[in-house]
Amino acid sequence: TQLLEQSPQFLSIQEGENLTVYCNSSSVFSSLQWYRQEPGEGPVLLVTVVTGGEVKKLKRLTFQFGDARKDSSLHITAAQPGDTGLYLCAGLRVGGGADGLTFGKGTHLIIQP
Amino acid sequence: DAGVTQSPTHLIKTRGQHVTLRCSPISGHKSVSWYQQVLGQGPQFIFQYYEKEERGRGNFPDRFSARQFPNYSSELNVNALLLGDSALYLCASSPGRVGVEKLFFGSGTQLSVL
Repeated sequence: TQLLEQSPQFLSIQEGENLTVYCNSSSVFSSLQWYRQEPGEGPVLLVTVVTGGEVKKLKRLTFQFGDARKDSSLHITAAQPGDTGLYLCAGLRVGGGADGLTFGKGTHLIIQP
Repeated sequence: DAGVTQSPTHLIKTRGQHVTLRCSPISGHKSVSWYQQVLGQGPQFIFQYYEKEERGRGNFPDRFSARQFPNYSSELNVNALLLGDSALYLCASSPGRVGVEKLFFGSGTQLSVL
């Protein structure tokens, strides 16, 4: 059973469209992070959210942490080809610091010119 | 400033062999974590070391072991390799123990077991 479920797994859209990626769990997380990974590279941290209901913006990317700290979403406005990549959510479970980060399987995003 | 460096970048082994992967954290970082990323999956936590002591261990068999040296670099060892061990092995460093701190990942070692 996957602790963090990401949806959709694959998404291919045209440049300029908007999209939302979801990260859901039945567990509570003390913090949740979003990473972007390109082929042949390690994941690069985009944002960390720690407070239930928190919203953070990074240019055209908006991240939200659910009120119950069990889910998160990533919204991209006016997607560009440079946004193409694997988007991973990862959480630190409450009391689970020794367990490291729990990652979802990721959303493969392709933005077509 | 140099980021997290991992060596080798690619490795091919056969079943039953053992392998040692190496990681140098960002200067000043005292924590190193290891993750396994199988094709099509997200990274899965293997170990965390902080100040040269094991601070966390994921659900991996005893064939997997690691250590951290006085200079905070780290090695991941895998014995009796299985085909299923084929994966990208990622090392990540952070200034302190894993919490809300930022993890910096290396580019990984791609291990293929034939």
